[in-house]
Amino acid sequence: GAVVSQHPSRVICKSGTSVKIECRSLDFQATTMFWYRQFPKQSLMLMATSNEGSKATYEQGVEKDKFLINHASLTLSTLTVTSAHPEDSSFYICSADETGGTEAFFGQGTRLTVV
Amino acid sequence: DAKTTQPPSMDCAEGRAANLPCNHSTISGNEYVYWYRQIHSQGPQYIIHGLKNNETNEMASLIITEDRKSSTLILPHATLRDTAVYYCIVRALRGTYKYIFGTGTRLKVLA
Repeated sequence: GAVVSQHPSRVICKSGTSVKIECRSLDFQATTMFWYRQFPKQSLMLMATSNEGSKATYEQGVEKDKFLINHASLTLSTLTVTSAHPEDSSFYICSADETGGTEAFFGQGTRLTVV
Repeated sequence: DAKTTQPPSMDCAEGRAANLPCNHSTISGNEYVYWYRQIHSQGPQYIIHGLKNNETNEMASLIITEDRKSSTLILPHATLRDTAVYYCIVRALRGTYKYIFGTGTRLKVLA
């Protein structure tokens, strides 16, 4: 099946700094990508929908100025957690639909720890 | 909010069939039923999806009731590697593409 790659898989950063997470579709083009966060023992919570060449659509309660999303090409979306705080520590996961395809493919996730 | 409800946990003996139920009583006519699973600390893995007919692939079978208000994912011969959280999701292929995850079923396969 199609492959979605996230980088990095783990990151530790200091409180107040920014962290960028990349999501790449390796063998297909993705007009739309999605970003999720997951706390321990909880389900995935959709944060935003990333559309190539346009602004991301954020879910209610997600701060767009804190979680900056850029979808500059059909194979790359980035999530930047700005001014990170310990409560932003979580598992961040992206997914992508192949244009014209029927199922989404998920990245392996990025575990962010803010100290 | 998620449009599906699933039992929080299930156990299954290794080698036996695992039958995971899902209720989606408010499913719309253009929405498909998708199943994904998530093994600890990994991204979700696609299993199968269907609209109204039963579907089978190399991983599992999907049985959708005639009224489409519920479905069952069947793992025919569960192995220890099938221990995971299984999510049932309804999603349209046009318009709103979003996957909204419910709480899922934590399946534990016992040796």
